[in-house]
Amino acid sequence: GAVVSQHPSWVICKSGTSVKIECRSLDFQATTMFWYRQFPKQSLMLMATSNEGSKATYEQGVEKDKFLINHASLTLSTLTVTSAHPEDSSFYICSVISGTGYGYTFGSGTRLTVV
Amino acid sequence: EDQVTQSPEALRLQEGESSSLNCSYTVSGLRGLFWYRQDPGKGPEFLFTLYSAGEEKEKERLKATLTKKESFLHITAPKPEDSATYLCAVRSGAGSYQLTFGKGTKLSVIP
Repeated sequence: GAVVSQHPSWVICKSGTSVKIECRSLDFQATTMFWYRQFPKQSLMLMATSNEGSKATYEQGVEKDKFLINHASLTLSTLTVTSAHPEDSSFYICSVISGTGYGYTFGSGTRLTVV
Repeated sequence: EDQVTQSPEALRLQEGESSSLNCSYTVSGLRGLFWYRQDPGKGPEFLFTLYSAGEEKEKERLKATLTKKESFLHITAPKPEDSATYLCAVRSGAGSYQLTFGKGTKLSVIP
């Protein structure tokens, strides 16, 4: 299966600042990547679908202007949390579809803490 | 709307004590049911994909089964290293490649 690298694994930022999270597909050209958010004891919630070379598709209730997604190449998608607030503190995870489209590989996740 | 419900929320087992985790689902045309293992502070690790009722897959001490309404993850003679949260997810035919996840079952295996 695909190998997905997510960076950073954890980050602490001040309220009002922006944070960028990177998701790289190391051995597979990923035309589609997914960004999830997971709160403690909750399931993974899909935030957006990132398509290479086009605008991301956001799920209902996810602010496009707050969570900026850029998928500029087949191996890299970035999620930028703009003007972060404490309520944005969460575990963010990216995923790629590998192979036939039925396999999904996840990154190791990024723990964001906004203080 | 796809729905996935996992039970129990948490399960404590003695080492060697076999048990099963349940995943009930409602989807409009199942295109795959996925089981993942998630360790604290890590992303989900793929275990199995099941596509049709009656299908079974095994990996070491784990066996996944599927019916038209639910899936079971059977754990035989678990070891402490099997302790983790087990996630179930479905992909339906109604959407794209999106997965809908359950909240997971946190398994603790006591030596």
